Amino acid sequence: SQQGEEDPQALSIQEGENATMNCSYKTSINNLQWYRQNSGRGLVHLILIRSNEREKHSGRLRVTLDTSKKSSSLLITASRAADTASYFCAQPQGGGADGLTFGKGTHLIIQP
Amino acid sequence: DGGITQSPKYLFRKEGQNVTLSCEQNLNHDAMYWYRQDPGQGLRLIYYSQIVNDFQKGDIAEGYSVSREKKESFPLTVTSAQKNPTAFYLCASSIVLGGSSTDTQYFGPGTRLTVL
Repeated sequence: SQQGEEDPQALSIQEGENATMNCSYKTSINNLQWYRQNSGRGLVHLILIRSNEREKHSGRLRVTLDTSKKSSSLLITASRAADTASYFCAQPQGGGADGLTFGKGTHLIIQP
Repeated sequence: DGGITQSPKYLFRKEGQNVTLSCEQNLNHDAMYWYRQDPGQGLRLIYYSQIVNDFQKGDIAEGYSVSREKKESFPLTVTSAQKNPTAFYLCASSIVLGGSSTDTQYFGPGTRLTVL
């Protein structure tokens, strides 16, 4: 399996602090994606970064990609209670619409 | 209102019974997917379909079956052959352009299946 791994498995911080989550993967990719899942809900796509990109921003989210180290990081700045969720990285299984391989996720808790 | 719907939200079944989970999308997406999620785990791909009347096995297809008779619908049947079916099941869809997906997937709210 190409499953990536997120680190840490769980993270608890105070509201207003920044949260950083890391993802390592095993095979070459054409893109890497980050998703958020609130408890008991479906996943919501956050950001996609392509293999030729090193950094991408979306609002309070910043994603970096280091293909030489096969790793990516997701930074959430100025965290809010509503950011409490599980965050997953995912990579395409193939070149077409073959589905995604997900890591086990980082469970983020924002303390008010 | 565009999106993906899954029904039911909660489903209980007795051991040895087949059960079908519904997934419908009105996003006009070509590709649809089924994933399984166990507690504290990531998602694992069960089946996917890139076009009507065609589908492929994912990483954990044993004990499951699907059909894709309409573009909007991709039902999943959990058969009695699935040894450990209790899980959270998520359906997703994506656009396919020129044979290649844009890769961003849109997820439904999920169905939680419990085998009694």
